[in-house]
Amino acid sequence: ELKVEQNPLFLSMQEGKNYTIYCNYSTTSDRLYWYRQDPGKSLESLFVLLSNGAVKQEGRLMASLDTKARLSTLHITAAVHDLSATYFCAVDVRGGADGLTFGKGTHLIIQP
Amino acid sequence: DTGVSQDPRHKITKRGQNVTFRCDPISEHNRLYWYRQTLGQGPEFLTYFQNEAQLEKSRLLSDRFSAERPKGSFSTLEIQRTEQGDSAMYLCASTPAVGGEYNEQFFGPGTRLTVL
Repeated sequence: ELKVEQNPLFLSMQEGKNYTIYCNYSTTSDRLYWYRQDPGKSLESLFVLLSNGAVKQEGRLMASLDTKARLSTLHITAAVHDLSATYFCAVDVRGGADGLTFGKGTHLIIQP
Repeated sequence: DTGVSQDPRHKITKRGQNVTFRCDPISEHNRLYWYRQTLGQGPEFLTYFQNEAQLEKSRLLSDRFSAERPKGSFSTLEIQRTEQGDSAMYLCASTPAVGGEYNEQFFGPGTRLTVL
């Protein structure tokens, strides 16, 4: 059974600081996704990582994938309050035939 | 581009009643997924369709859950004899899956179900 673990599950940080969220998964996969969810809202796609060594950046967020270590990271640079949200990583191992398997999410609070 | 839409957005029902939710995927997306999300958890995969064919349904939570996509466009998810434990957000997602290449899933706003 595929397991996806995120850490930390809760993170409170100050504006301007840097931090990294980690996503470990238990089965070989070369497809990993990061989503953002605001309270009471649906999921917004942030990054799609499709190969080992993939790195993508959008604004203050950067995601990377190491398929050999079965690890993805989401790095936040110089955090701002607007980035407060819950961030999920999700893994696909059968080309979508099992849907996406999500981690429990990292609830991020960025304080002024 | 209107994105994935779901209806209703909120549903309150009494235990034992049947409920049906609708999902309209992004136009021309041939794959459609249903997920359930409970408070504090990530979405949990339930079932998916490729066009009108339901290719995976073993993950539906019980035989009270069923889904259809009769014409390969919109889909419905039905829960019969609802229980309080069915209270959750039900999310729909679609993806183009063109030429065998699978792409990211785009999620709708969800239907929040409360069973009293």
